Amino acid sequence: EDKVVQSPLSLVVHEGDTVTLNCSYEVTNFRSLLWYKQEKKAPTFLFMLTSSGIEKKSGRLSSILDKKELFSILNITATQTGDSAIYLCAVGSAPGQNFVFGPGTRLSVLP
Amino acid sequence: DAGVIQSPRHEVTEMGQEVTLRCKPISGHNSLFWYRQTMMRGLELLIYFNNNVPIDDSGMPEDRFSAKMPNASFSTLKIQPSEPRDSAVYFCASSFQGFTEAFFGQGTRLTVV
Repeated sequence: EDKVVQSPLSLVVHEGDTVTLNCSYEVTNFRSLLWYKQEKKAPTFLFMLTSSGIEKKSGRLSSILDKKELFSILNITATQTGDSAIYLCAVGSAPGQNFVFGPGTRLSVLP
Repeated sequence: DAGVIQSPRHEVTEMGQEVTLRCKPISGHNSLFWYRQTMMRGLELLIYFNNNVPIDDSGMPEDRFSAKMPNASFSTLKIQPSEPRDSAVYFCASSFQGFTEAFFGQGTRLTVV
């Protein structure tokens, strides 16, 4: 059975801190790993990773995938209160199959 | 494109009633997913379709749940009869066969009293 694990499940930091969120997975026919941010409503897409070692970056957020060790990290530098959200990791398998989500990391950034 | 459209946004119903949730995926996407989210269990996949065909419905909790996709632009998730433990946010998402990320609708918040 496909499985996605995230850690930590919950994290509280202060503005300006740097955080690293972890995602490990076990899936057959891996195709992609995705990161989403969920605030009050629907998850919104952050990154899609398909190749090992290639960092994806968007502003203060960056992510990288290690397909050998089966994990990914999401880094957020200089955190702001607006970064408070649940960060979801999902893994997509071969075409025609679904996206399996991890439990999420609830990040709280205090002023 | 308007994105994935779900209706209704909120639904409050009495136990035992039938509930129908609706979803219009993004045009051109051929994979559609129904997820349920609760505080206790997180985001759970209920069922997904490829090219209007149900591929995996192993996440459907029980026979009270059913889903259909009569065409590429419309899907329904039905609960009959509904129970209080079905209260959750139900998300629909669509993708192009896993080559793109899954785009989520705004969800339907279901409350069964």
